[in-house]
Amino acid sequence: GQQLNQSPQSMFIQEGEDVSMNCTSSSIFNTWLWYKQDPGEGPVLLIALYKAGELTSNGRLTAQFGITRKDSFLNISASIPSDVGIYFCAGGQYNNNDMRFGAGTRLTVKP
Amino acid sequence: KAGVTQTPRYLIKTRGQQVTLSCSPISGHRSVSWYQQTPGQGLQFLFEYFSETQRNKGNFPGRFSGRQFSNSRSEMNVSTLELGDSALYLCASSLAPGEVGYTFGSGTRLTVV
Repeated sequence: GQQLNQSPQSMFIQEGEDVSMNCTSSSIFNTWLWYKQDPGEGPVLLIALYKAGELTSNGRLTAQFGITRKDSFLNISASIPSDVGIYFCAGGQYNNNDMRFGAGTRLTVKP
Repeated sequence: KAGVTQTPRYLIKTRGQQVTLSCSPISGHRSVSWYQQTPGQGLQFLFEYFSETQRNKGNFPGRFSGRQFSNSRSEMNVSTLELGDSALYLCASSLAPGEVGYTFGSGTRLTVV
């Protein structure tokens, strides 16, 4: 089963608002990744983090690798309707592809 | 370049039957991983293949198996299907193991009736 706790489970926000979601784990990970999944499609990688304390941006998205290596957060600024989808965090190790995924945060953006 | 291709996209099978799903990785990618996605359990790792060898396996029964061919294409097989096997099966590829942040395909939606 999953080892990551992702919150919140769902969010309903107004277009233009900022969004924040996070993941925590009882285990230490070497990498943290954030994916977005649209209906009927596979997850698409948004941001990858490789170092504790690292803060990385991808357009309106910003993610941070917690210094304890047991948590990560994702922020989306000035949300737009196409941000709708399910966002997953994932923790990984360097030498294998057995990533652990959070349960996902379902984001709804109202125009 | 073409992405990860999974076939078929949709499949309906009867309990007790077996099924084979196919995954063609991005050209040049040699590592293929499989995941099962269900509303209740989320994304769960099935197995990972590299150079035709299974490197890693998740906590699934032996009814779930896979293989990888010399051209890096991979198949997974589920025998004696159960209703609980209904899920979206996702394949992901990367250049090599350890290169996290791989690319997912669109998945195969399996429904067992």
